[in-house]
Amino acid sequence: IAGITQAPTSQILAAGRRMTLRCTQDMRHNAMYWYRQDLGLGLRLIHYSNTAGTTGKGEVPDGYSVSRANTDDFPLTLASAVPSQTSVYFCASSDSISGGNEQFFGPGTRLTVL
Amino acid sequence: GQNIDQPTEMTATEGAIVQINCTYQTSGFNGLFWYQQHAGEAPTFLSYNVLDGLEEKGRFSSFLSRSKGYSYLLLKELQMKDSASYLCAVLDSNYQLIWGAGTKLIIKP
Repeated sequence: IAGITQAPTSQILAAGRRMTLRCTQDMRHNAMYWYRQDLGLGLRLIHYSNTAGTTGKGEVPDGYSVSRANTDDFPLTLASAVPSQTSVYFCASSDSISGGNEQFFGPGTRLTVL
Repeated sequence: GQNIDQPTEMTATEGAIVQINCTYQTSGFNGLFWYQQHAGEAPTFLSYNVLDGLEEKGRFSSFLSRSKGYSYLLLKELQMKDSASYLCAVLDSNYQLIWGAGTKLIIKP
């Protein structure tokens, strides 16, 4: 693995189903993030984690949950998917949340909820 | 509220220079980032400014004026591969990135 990987690449999901998007990084970064990107809007932060064992809510956390059991993995769960959660989801990581630490992005997961 | 404004779309000619502007109003300021995003791909880091002035990195330069809440990204000697969206983002007082909607840059031969 080099950098950040996400799975699946794309998914079509029936409304009401539970779904977990996976994210793994091998850079030993402390901070990790989940964003959604919708046409005409900027990236919006869903949840973040400053370090393993801690998580926080971003701008649009409702309907999503995360966990950070270790440094490398940061899964995002949709407990009961709704059509408004149709989006492209990006996972990102950085050495820390502060200063000029650039965020490195995974390739994204394209999710369609019907 | 927090707000990042940048033009939706710009067109430029191969070999020319283009300037993409970004204005921001955020709760606190801990730096401004520019990212490039090709269609269907992830954003990739271009530059970071935290102090006023110009940062040059090859064909790309980024300028910041904190008093005016203003930044620009300058792309010189445009190449076809520069066709992409350019995202402006500000690190706010909570160290969360606030993103603009992006500027789609179209390069014509």
